[in-house]
Amino acid sequence: GENVEQHPSTLSVQEGDSAVIKCTYSDSASNYFPWYKQELGKRPQLIIDIRSNVGEKKDQRIAVTLNKTAKHFSLHITETQPEDSAVYFCAASTIGYQKVTFGTGTKLQVIP
Amino acid sequence: DVKVTQSSRYLVKRTGEKVFLECVQDMDHENMFWYRQDPGLGLRLIYFSYDVKMKEKGDIPEGYSVSREKKERFSLILESASTNQTSMYLCASSFGQALLLNTEAFFGQGTRLTVV
Repeated sequence: GENVEQHPSTLSVQEGDSAVIKCTYSDSASNYFPWYKQELGKRPQLIIDIRSNVGEKKDQRIAVTLNKTAKHFSLHITETQPEDSAVYFCAASTIGYQKVTFGTGTKLQVIP
Repeated sequence: DVKVTQSSRYLVKRTGEKVFLECVQDMDHENMFWYRQDPGLGLRLIYFSYDVKMKEKGDIPEGYSVSREKKERFSLILESASTNQTSMYLCASSFGQALLLNTEAFFGQGTRLTVV
């Protein structure tokens, strides 16, 4: 089955700096990679996703890159703000098969 | 707004009890999932269902079963609760049809289960 590894487990950055979270996956058939943000005491919510037919996707201060050859994908947050503080989960799945495998999460702390 | 509602926010049960966790979604989603969330382990899939009465094992199904008698409701059952099942349980649902691109999973607010 699919195995998703996520690093780092914790990340502290100064407000305004960039944050990068990296994930690797094992199943070459995986072709859909969502990222979820979970604020303290709240449910995870999708913030961005990427499909294997593209290498990069941006949404304002958030971007995700995908390297299919190396089987890794990354989340980039620029100009971080205190409200970016949360746990971030990467995930991988295969289109047409609904099982989604999550990484272990990264706790991001943005220091004002 | 999609709503995924879990029946309880907090539960305390005794070892050996049979425990039911209920999840209801109001968006006519085909897919429903049960995860448990533990520190350092992320979200681990217990079971999922892609249609009424259909179920598939996830990565950690041992000690759990599920029931999906109606499209909007997905129940997680702990046949005989044990202390190692103390965890946060999250239900999720997503829209999905055969060959359709995967779509966003919407999560419930979670049930924190403590087994004593």
